Amino acid sequence: EPEVTQTPSHQVTQMGQEVILRCVPISNHLYFYWYRQILGQKVEFLVSFYNNEISEKSEIFDDQFSVERPDGSNFTLKIRSTKLEDSAMYFCASSVDSSGRAGETQYFGPGTRLLVL
Amino acid sequence: AQTVTQSQPEMSVQEAETVTLSCTYDTSESDYYLFWYKQPPSRQMILVIRQEAYKQQNATENRFSVNFQKAAKSFSLKISDSQLGDAAMYFCAYRSAGLVGGNEKLTFGTGTRLTIIP
Repeated sequence: EPEVTQTPSHQVTQMGQEVILRCVPISNHLYFYWYRQILGQKVEFLVSFYNNEISEKSEIFDDQFSVERPDGSNFTLKIRSTKLEDSAMYFCASSVDSSGRAGETQYFGPGTRLLVL
Repeated sequence: AQTVTQSQPEMSVQEAETVTLSCTYDTSESDYYLFWYKQPPSRQMILVIRQEAYKQQNATENRFSVNFQKAAKSFSLKISDSQLGDAAMYFCAYRSAGLVGGNEKLTFGTGTRLTIIP
């Protein structure tokens, strides 16, 4: 069964450093998302992406964040200058295959655990 | 803005028994989707079940079923014959229907931690 994959599974970085989190959505899905979950808290929406542009972003997704789909398969989240409060689990998700069979369900990757020291 | 409320931070159930997790939501929309996701200790988000608001019939997936009460804006999850592997955090989530094939975001509740007692 197709699944969303994410790399790395864990990332430790120093405050102020740039990180890139990578995701490979389910092939022929068209819509892509990033969510984050601070430890012990609920999952929060960051950004959605369709047709090579951002569709919607939350107030969390400030100028320090960016997303891109560089090669038609990967979907990346970049944090330019990490802060302590960026420590969280980051989930990638994708939805809707080209035939519509997947419907509106978002399928999540296993997450990247980011720790900023 | 839509909100999702899970009023039970923790629940426990004896193995093989039935447990119901509660979820309420607030929306002014008439067309939307509701989901239950399971998050085991590995922290991966796994889809358990989904419900389309326009469908009156409650969704069922094997041992998992929902009680969808649209007028009351309630969406509870019933787990029958609970198994040790059901132990996890369970999140209720709401998604606007939006455009056909649209990319509306999920709004999550705060979760219910389910413990299975052997």
